[in-house]
Amino acid sequence: KNEVEQSPQNLTAQEGEFITINCSYSVGISALHWLQQHPGGGIVSLFMLSSGKKKHGRLIATINIQEKHSSLHITASHPRDSAVYICATGTYNTDKLIFGTGTRLQVFP
Amino acid sequence: DTAVSQTPKYLVTQMGNDKSIKCEQNLGHDTMYWYKQDSKKFLKIMFSYNNKELIINETVPNRFSPKSPDKAHLNLHINSLELGDSAVYFCASSLWTGSNGANVLTFGAGSRLTVL
Repeated sequence: KNEVEQSPQNLTAQEGEFITINCSYSVGISALHWLQQHPGGGIVSLFMLSSGKKKHGRLIATINIQEKHSSLHITASHPRDSAVYICATGTYNTDKLIFGTGTRLQVFP
Repeated sequence: DTAVSQTPKYLVTQMGNDKSIKCEQNLGHDTMYWYKQDSKKFLKIMFSYNNKELIINETVPNRFSPKSPDKAHLNLHINSLELGDSAVYFCASSLWTGSNGANVLTFGAGSRLTVL
């Protein structure tokens, strides 16, 4: 059974700081997803990756398959980045994703 | 021009009632999902449909019945509501690439159900 752990659970930062959120999982996966849930409740898919690194604007996601670990980085953080960030893993032969419990990020001006 | 729209956004009802949440997507996706997010914000899959065919039915009580009249719609009907059904229910859709855990999801805004 795959366990998905995120750290830290809560994170506060000053505007402009570099942010790292970590996600570890216990079994081999086909893909890892990073999602963002805004304070208003809406959920947005940020990245889906199975190897290496992806970048979109100030967001960077990396994955290390051997170490079963992924990180989400935010450069030059801004108060609008305040949200819950959720990682989820996918495995072969099922469309079911296993979700982490989320990391609540607050960025203060 | 909302991509995945759910209605209603809020639903407050008494225990024992029957209620429905509707979901529609205009993205041309062929797969739709229902997720439940509990009070601790933990997301869990309930159902998924690909081309109107049930793909995932995740240990959900029989009181929950999804219905997919076509690829663009997936409705959730809940009978005999219980206190524990209080949660936020998210509809999502994707373009099917297979049962491979790699389908990118587009979520609706969520429907907050409160059972009194």
